[in-house]
Amino acid sequence: DAGVIQSPRHEVTEMGQEVTLRCKPISGHDYLFWYRQTMMRGLELLIYFNNNVPIDDSGMPEDRFSAKMPNASFSTLKIQPSEPRDSAVYFCASSGTEYNEQFFGPGTRLTVL
Amino acid sequence: AQTVTQSQPEMSVQEAETVTLSCTYDTSESDYYLFWYKQPPSRQMILVIRQEAYKQQNATENRFSVNFQKAAKSFSLKISDSQLGDAAMYFCATVPSGTSYGKLTFGQGTILTVHP
Repeated sequence: DAGVIQSPRHEVTEMGQEVTLRCKPISGHDYLFWYRQTMMRGLELLIYFNNNVPIDDSGMPEDRFSAKMPNASFSTLKIQPSEPRDSAVYFCASSGTEYNEQFFGPGTRLTVL
Repeated sequence: AQTVTQSQPEMSVQEAETVTLSCTYDTSESDYYLFWYKQPPSRQMILVIRQEAYKQQNATENRFSVNFQKAAKSFSLKISDSQLGDAAMYFCATVPSGTSYGKLTFGQGTILTVHP
């Protein structure tokens, strides 16, 4: 298995632009998580899905952030409009129901100028 | 709610020596899992070891082992025969199991330096 796939690996954009991060979970996994890592706040959960349904989005910072999972093999995290404080590494992770291990993608480093 | 505390921002060890990273946690869940993740400079999050809270036996994975003290809510990681490739940021984390499964709660991380 290729593991969790994220794209792009790096994104540099200007304030006010729309940013879309993409994730393909491990096949067969029914949980998908979006985490954000910053120096100030560490690793924090933004939102997670179970069987494509959002379960907990309490970590989403504000209305500028939205996430979708249209099918079992694809999810997006969108920021519109982006702000410099959104600069961070965004991780996607997935897991199956049998185990509690979450497998992480390589992350997307987002820089908003 | 869960909280995880790693009180050592940085640790260092000589190659081939042993080092222990500390972690304490708090949870209201009756059943949960504990993990140590490693994050090298590549930033990839790599699972090092997992422990089911209902198991009294400490988990071991090759050179990595844990000291799980459930009553004290302590979950330390011991790395034996340290290698240069062990240099990384290490995160302790917990997640509820069963129907409450979901969010991983991470500690602040410990940067481990390995000296040749």
